[in-house]
Amino acid sequence: GAVVSQHPSWVICKSGTSVKIECRSLDFQATTMFWYRQFPKQSLMLMATSNEGSKATYEQGVEKDKFLINHASLTLSTLTVTSAHPEDSSFYICSAKPVPGATHNEQFFGPGTRLTVL
Amino acid sequence: KQEVTQIPAALSVPEGENLVLNCSFTDSAIYNLQWFRQDPGKGLTSLLLIQSSQREQTSGRLNASLDKSSGRSTLYIAASQPGDSATYLCAVRYSQFYFGTGTSLTVIP
Repeated sequence: GAVVSQHPSWVICKSGTSVKIECRSLDFQATTMFWYRQFPKQSLMLMATSNEGSKATYEQGVEKDKFLINHASLTLSTLTVTSAHPEDSSFYICSAKPVPGATHNEQFFGPGTRLTVL
Repeated sequence: KQEVTQIPAALSVPEGENLVLNCSFTDSAIYNLQWFRQDPGKGLTSLLLIQSSQREQTSGRLNASLDKSSGRSTLYIAASQPGDSATYLCAVRYSQFYFGTGTSLTVIP
C-alpha cells in the first residue's frame, strides 16, 4: 500500500518556540491532506484539511494563525505550531488522499508526531 | 510490523438492521483503540475511544467492545439508518497509530 511519512516522529521544544512537522506521501501524489491531533486519553480530532495550492480549511476551535498549514506540493504538507505552549503538547497525525484516478483511492495515514512543549 | 485488519471490507444492509463490524490486531500491548467514521471526501470523525484498560464503550446506537487477549474489537450499530452509510475505520495506538483499511457500509432505505 501507499506510504505516508511524518518528520519528526518526536520533538521536544521550549515554550514560545515554533515547531514544523512535515507530512509526505512517499509513492503517490496527494491533492488533499488532513491534520489531526490527539491529547492524552482523548480521541483523535481533525484539525484541518489542506488542499494543494490553496488555503487550508480549519475545524471549529482550531486557530489558523497558530497552526500554519502549507500544502505547497502534491507530496508535502507542513504543519507549523507557532509560539508553542505546554497545552499544545499532543500527538499530531496526518493523512493523505491520492489524486483522483490514482490506483489507490483510500486515505493513508502517517505514523504521527509526538510534540512535547516544556 | 503491527497489522490491523477489518472485516468485512464492504457491507450492505437494509435499513433497521443491527450490524457488527470487526477489527483485529496482531499485538495486544495497545495504548488505546478508536473507531472512526469517514464520509466521502471528508476527514475522520471519531466515534468511540476505548482505553486499553476498558472493555466496552457506548454512544447512542453504537457500542464498541475490546478484547485485548484475542486481539479483537467489534463495533455494533443498532437499528441502522441510511445516514450511517460511510466508511468505518478502526485504529490501534501503540507508540504510533496503525489503521485498518476500513469497512464501507451502505444502508439501503
